[in-house]
Amino acid sequence: GAVVSQHPSRVICKSGTSVKIECRSLDFQATTMFWYRQFPKQSLMLMATSNEGSKATYEQGVEKDKFLINHASLTLSTLTVTSAHPEDSSFYICSAVIRSRGTEAFFGQGTRLTVV
Amino acid sequence: GIQVEQSPPDLILQEGANSTLRCNFSDSVNNLQWFHQNPWGQLINLFYIPSGTKQNGRLSATTVATERYSLLYISSSQTTDSGVYFCAAGRLYGGSQGNLIFGKGTKLSVKP
Repeated sequence: GAVVSQHPSRVICKSGTSVKIECRSLDFQATTMFWYRQFPKQSLMLMATSNEGSKATYEQGVEKDKFLINHASLTLSTLTVTSAHPEDSSFYICSAVIRSRGTEAFFGQGTRLTVV
Repeated sequence: GIQVEQSPPDLILQEGANSTLRCNFSDSVNNLQWFHQNPWGQLINLFYIPSGTKQNGRLSATTVATERYSLLYISSSQTTDSGVYFCAAGRLYGGSQGNLIFGKGTKLSVKP
């Protein structure tokens, strides 16, 4: 089956540094990928939609300069949390849809970010 | 946009009991998925069920798209079924790209 791989699964960084999270589609090409964020004991909220070769579309309230998204190829989207602060600590997870196979969304393993 | 509501928010069961989790969505969708989130945060895809009924072992799900709801049935519950169950709905047509809207989840605790 289709697999979406996300790396790293867990990262701890210092305040002020930047962290890059990778989301790869392993056996299909994903023209569109989605990034979600989940705070403790809450649901998952869409942050942005990443389109290959074009700028990402951010949801209201998500700072595009803080959460940089790059979708440079059909199999890789990256999310960079810039100048991270403790309030950015969260669970980040990506997903992709294989349009040729229907509407099902496939999710990565998620990344737990802790900013200290 | 689409709104997704799940009920109940919390559910405590004795091992061996059956349960039904409900998901209501506010608009027409062509994707409806049920997930179990494990303690490490990983989303385990239980069902992709935009319509109809599916069964997988002790779990089954039914989506009635015309009435905008889906049900997840857990039979003979086990302690390993504990965790948070999410329903998520979305559209992939027109101006929608297929992202999912998640409900707030049902936290299930199965006691031995």
